[in-house]
Amino acid sequence: DTAVSQTPKYLVTQMGNDKSIKCEQNLGHDTMYWYKQDSKKFLKIMFSYNNKELIINETVPNRFSPKSPDKAHLNLHINSLELGDSAVYFCASSPRLVLSNYGYTFGSGTRLTVV
Amino acid sequence: SQQGEEDPQALSIQEGENATMNCSYKTSINNLQWYRQNSGRGLVHLILIRSNEREKHSGRLRVTLDTSKKSSSLLITASRAADTASYFCATSNRDDKIIFGKGTRLHILP
Repeated sequence: DTAVSQTPKYLVTQMGNDKSIKCEQNLGHDTMYWYKQDSKKFLKIMFSYNNKELIINETVPNRFSPKSPDKAHLNLHINSLELGDSAVYFCASSPRLVLSNYGYTFGSGTRLTVV
Repeated sequence: SQQGEEDPQALSIQEGENATMNCSYKTSINNLQWYRQNSGRGLVHLILIRSNEREKHSGRLRVTLDTSKKSSSLLITASRAADTASYFCATSNRDDKIIFGKGTRLHILP
């Protein structure tokens, strides 16, 4: 069983479209995250949710809207897609907030290409 | 802002040799973690070292932490072809964020 699963794995779409990426974890973790990895492999945190509550919201355009219907799911909706949104988006989870010294479990990523 | 900075950016060694990667960071941390990323895959958590620890081992991995120098090193002993990957350090601070460095690309030559 996949611990953190993301769908879709690949997403190719035109500029201006709206798209969603889904993430689910079956580990019973309290905290979930979205990270963006650019073409230079730099990983930057976008959002974190703890038990459905938004904890971290980095400087991300408000075209990006996370939604957590329950603590096992964290979806990412992107409006009006732009070329610069092309990247690999990773979902991750941890048992609880990082101050408790737990590592993350990552999904396999969603490669988004905006054309 | 970026916290961890790995060094070197890329490293090629012969199979069987030891590989050492370094990570420097700027502000005080709660813990430091190392992750591995195989090409086209997600990150895999390797090891976590708390700010009050100086060294930790896990199999062929050895991690050291020097908080006075704000640096950490990851040593992989007796490297194997399967160790070819990118390795990232990540620091956790009071803001409940884990911030990643840019990674070291390790290539194990047969």
